[in-house]
Amino acid sequence: DTAVSQTPKYLVTQMGNDKSIKCEQNLGHDTMYWYKQDSKKFLKIMFSYNNKELIINETVPNRFSPKSPDKAHLNLHINSLELGDSAVYFCASSPDGQSLNYGYTFGSGTRLTVV
Amino acid sequence: GNSVTQMEGPVTLSEEAFLTINCTYTATGYPSLFWYVQYPGEGLQLLLKATKADDKGSNKGFEATYRKETTSFHLEKGSVQVSDSAVYFCALSSNTGNQFYFGTGTSLTVIP
Repeated sequence: DTAVSQTPKYLVTQMGNDKSIKCEQNLGHDTMYWYKQDSKKFLKIMFSYNNKELIINETVPNRFSPKSPDKAHLNLHINSLELGDSAVYFCASSPDGQSLNYGYTFGSGTRLTVV
Repeated sequence: GNSVTQMEGPVTLSEEAFLTINCTYTATGYPSLFWYVQYPGEGLQLLLKATKADDKGSNKGFEATYRKETTSFHLEKGSVQVSDSAVYFCALSSNTGNQFYFGTGTSLTVIP
């Protein structure tokens, strides 16, 4: 059983399109996250949700909109895709927002390529 | 504020060599410290952690000791293998537990 699963694994799309990435966790965790990893492997947090409530919203273009229908799912919708959005996007989760003791569990990533 | 600084890579070692990847941190309060590993084409996996000063985290032959006096959490392995080739991330969890702070990652390549 995959703990944190993301779909799709690869996404190639044209500039200007709208796309979504889905994330589901079966760990019973309360907090989920979206991270963006650039070509130099640098990880930047984008959003964090705790039990469906947005708790972290970093400086991200408003073309990016997270949606959490329930605490096991956190989807990422991106409007009007740009070349600079090409990256690997990681979903992660942790229990109760208390990553202090447990750390995060990451999904395997979605490699987005905008052409 | 909170931050993590890792040694820059890439690092290339021969099999069975000794590995050290330096990590220092800045934090308020009492953070927890982690090392994550990312194998090619995969997500990040927790390698080891330490939740208080002087704790030693260990896994798969890797070790790191939480040193409060030097604000460091250096990753070490006595004898690396080709299969250890990956990107290693040092990370800090704030004592409020709300956010992780990742280092920039260090790419390790082990050659036979």
